[in-house]
Amino acid sequence: QSVLTQPPSASGTPGQRVTISCSGSTSNIGTNSVNWYQQLPGTAPKLLIYFNNQRPSGVPDRFSGSKSGTSASLAISGLQSEDEAEYYCEGWDDSVNARVFGGGTMLTVL
Amino acid sequence: QVTLRESGPALVRPTQTLTLTCTFSGFSLSTQGMCVSWIRQPPGKALEWLALIDWDGDKYYSTALKTRLTISKDTFKDQVVLTMTNMDPVDTATYYCARILGVYNAFDVWGQGTVVTVSS
Repeated sequence: QSVLTQPPSASGTPGQRVTISCSGSTSNIGTNSVNWYQQLPGTAPKLLIYFNNQRPSGVPDRFSGSKSGTSASLAISGLQSEDEAEYYCEGWDDSVNARVFGGGTMLTVL
Repeated sequence: QVTLRESGPALVRPTQTLTLTCTFSGFSLSTQGMCVSWIRQPPGKALEWLALIDWDGDKYYSTALKTRLTISKDTFKDQVVLTMTNMDPVDTATYYCARILGVYNAFDVWGQGTVVTVSS
């Protein structure tokens, strides 16, 4: 059971906009920033969004993040077939003094 | 260029102790804000954070596994070592090390991972 809750799956068609949610609590998302990672099959995760809504250099602006209260969201616009991957949210939890991950969301491009 | 590489045994027997080494380059763990962490991923399952050590030597552990984990660093060798005691088949996973860059407060660079199987 993950501390951060994500839907197990999401889907969309090419060109569409999809959002993936991440729900937490006051001790994690409510107080600290949220990061998002993309994991393509058979590869290590890659940082997609940090500090709720910042993109590292090289990440397309089709990817955006937001946070409100104890929830965060990752939005992907102009969906492409290469976006098919597992997506994880992550952050720090003050109540356990530990980093925590969401359970992951598998995005399928139909 | 920042790189991290995990190394360790591919097969561990139940009850044995696992020792994994993360060898990194392109940064110094003595630089303020730098951290190195271990994360694992059982086959077909989600990422699970294990432990973290920061530039100042402070250590943080997963609540669920803290009694079995020890993380340490060798700044001169640019290595971080994780030991996990009393290994069980449920610990079979890909183990990753990753860097946290202070200004990002996120795992910005990951190793390729090393697969550890626990079996008799």
